[in-house]
Amino acid sequence: GDSVTQMEGPVTLSEEAFLTINCTYTATGYPSLFWYVQYPGEGLQLLLKATKADDKGSNKGFEATYRKETTSFHLEKGSVQVSDSAVYFCAQNGNQFYFGTGTSLTVIP
Amino acid sequence: DSGVTQTPKHLITATGQRVTLRCSPRSGDLSVYWYQQSLDQGLQFLIQYYNGEERAKGNILERFSAQQFPDLHSELNLSSLELGDSALYFCASSVEYDKILLWQYFGPGTRLTVT
Repeated sequence: GDSVTQMEGPVTLSEEAFLTINCTYTATGYPSLFWYVQYPGEGLQLLLKATKADDKGSNKGFEATYRKETTSFHLEKGSVQVSDSAVYFCAQNGNQFYFGTGTSLTVIP
Repeated sequence: DSGVTQTPKHLITATGQRVTLRCSPRSGDLSVYWYQQSLDQGLQFLIQYYNGEERAKGNILERFSAQQFPDLHSELNLSSLELGDSALYFCASSVEYDKILLWQYFGPGTRLTVT
């Protein structure tokens, strides 16, 4: 069935380091793909999305490209900041929404 | 602010009790979803309603039930509470376009503590 698998955390990086969080999906159809971010004590917020193959979603310096050939949607940021510390969830919208288990990111100064 | 509201923000109750969590979706959104987030199990989908009708069920216990009212707000009822039910409960709403689910907007959550 449809599912999302993302990189286990926690991830700890120094400020200005490069970030990659891996996400792969399985789907019977052609879902849209999403990254959500959850800051401490808050609900999930949509970070970026891509609706079809080869689309690139981007927001706040984060990017992810919908790769149909590798069924992946990896999240990247070139230079992380302390304020990026949060939990990141990959998701897809098949007949319902499927979320990954979340990856906790801590950025240290 | 996502536009999805949840009340109460915090709830502390004892084992065996029953509680009701409330959610109001964004204006215009017909779908409401409930999720449970605990430290050891991540984000678990519980149930979805669309325009008053149950559309999908996830890992929802028989002790839990939900409904969506004509004004589209939803309530999640949790009964015979156990210590393990302590978690954050999120509500989300989404728009459908041509029967395709678009992205979700999440509420701030209700933190339930069962003592």
